[in-house]
Amino acid sequence: DAMVIQNPRYQVTQFGKPVTLSCSQTLNHNVMYWYQQKSSQAPKLLFHYYDKDFNNEADTPDNFQSRRPNTSFCFLDIRSPGLGDAAMYLCATSRESSYNEQFFGPGTRLTVL
Amino acid sequence: AQSVTQLDSQVPVFEEAPVELRCNYSSSVSVYLFWYVQYPNQGLQLLLKYLSGSTLVESINGFEAEFNKSQTSFHLRKPSVHISDTAEYFCAVSENIGWRGGKLIFGQGTELSVKP
Repeated sequence: DAMVIQNPRYQVTQFGKPVTLSCSQTLNHNVMYWYQQKSSQAPKLLFHYYDKDFNNEADTPDNFQSRRPNTSFCFLDIRSPGLGDAAMYLCATSRESSYNEQFFGPGTRLTVL
Repeated sequence: AQSVTQLDSQVPVFEEAPVELRCNYSSSVSVYLFWYVQYPNQGLQLLLKYLSGSTLVESINGFEAEFNKSQTSFHLRKPSVHISDTAEYFCAVSENIGWRGGKLIFGQGTELSVKP
């Protein structure tokens, strides 16, 4: 089945230690998104790629970076995680369209010690 | 910019009772609306969507939502809930941002808790 895969599902890191979260997709969608979701809150869009074009949300901290080496993969890099970065990180994809139906991965739960 | 308001943060209900989760959006242009469901420690799953055509849309597990343009609402309903429907529900509206694609604007979510 076509899907969005996130690895790992659970990630523990130390305060200030860089961490990378991975997302891959078999849907061949050209748009990929990264969201941060804290407990009992809505997902917050961090940035998205439209093909190779990177689009950062205005309020995304510089501590968060992303890479998309090809259509299938997208990475979220947190350069110096703080305690406030502990959250669920969701990857999503969509086909270029006017209605932006998005398909989500299962998420990575990040814990910062 | 568009916005989505989910009027209830928590909805407790007994099993087999009917439920309505309310969603209002702000937009004067054509809209595309979605309901997503999120089970604990999982990603979001699309429950149903309104793109065009019939204003009443249905999911495979008994949920339905009605697009009401005059009231700018997209409320989610189910006539008889099950324990397994316990989850967080998010209403979302699509917003286009030109050549850079688009994004979804989410409501704050409604936690549906079904009790036996």
